[in-house]
Amino acid sequence: SQQGEEDPQALSIQEGENATMNCSYKTSINNLQWYRQNSGRGLVHLILIRSNEREKHSGRLRVTLDTSKKSSSLLITASRAADTASYFCATGGMDSSYKLIFGSGTRLLVRP
Amino acid sequence: GAGVSQSPSNKVTEKGKDVELRCDPISGHTALYWYRQSLGQGLEFLIYFQGNSAPDKSGLPSDRFSAERTGGSVSTLTIQRTQQEDSAVYLCASSPTTGGGTEAFFGQGTRLTVV
Repeated sequence: SQQGEEDPQALSIQEGENATMNCSYKTSINNLQWYRQNSGRGLVHLILIRSNEREKHSGRLRVTLDTSKKSSSLLITASRAADTASYFCATGGMDSSYKLIFGSGTRLLVRP
Repeated sequence: GAGVSQSPSNKVTEKGKDVELRCDPISGHTALYWYRQSLGQGLEFLIYFQGNSAPDKSGLPSDRFSAERTGGSVSTLTIQRTQQEDSAVYLCASSPTTGGGTEAFFGQGTRLTVV
């Protein structure tokens, strides 16, 4: 089962531009996380935002969370060709398991 | 170990054969996940082990799929009587705590091809 839906499915930008990806989910959450995947293999954790937080920063990454709209956004500023990857949001549930459910992902291409 | 280790990295099997995929989580991590990813798609949740609790098997697509975690460490995902639609990358992840939600650390996956 998939909880989140990312938008857009694919994004192509020029190096130096900002990239914004959105994630919508369906049920109440404990936390929302963003991951990056290169070449269709292992995922790397980028950032975690808890349900009582509204915004979080990490380097060139900015994540927002709107629990009333059940949505989150990931902003990558001053993009680089090396940012080319697929980006996934994952939600941790409210029940005691905190099970992580992933969305469908956004494929980002940063053109040099 | 430095990270989550999965073996084999690639597996080609004939339709109808059984396969076992192995995951060695990071030492001390209490939570362990299995996901499946078809080409160009998102991650499909399969099963979740959380400490000593009964595993959450709600994502297993059929009774041909099973998984176990021995001694709270190594996990094996078994697919019986493989079908071509089972072809995918199988990803394992572990997490250091079951409370409050924390990041998951992923292995590099096993690419399964059923011919």
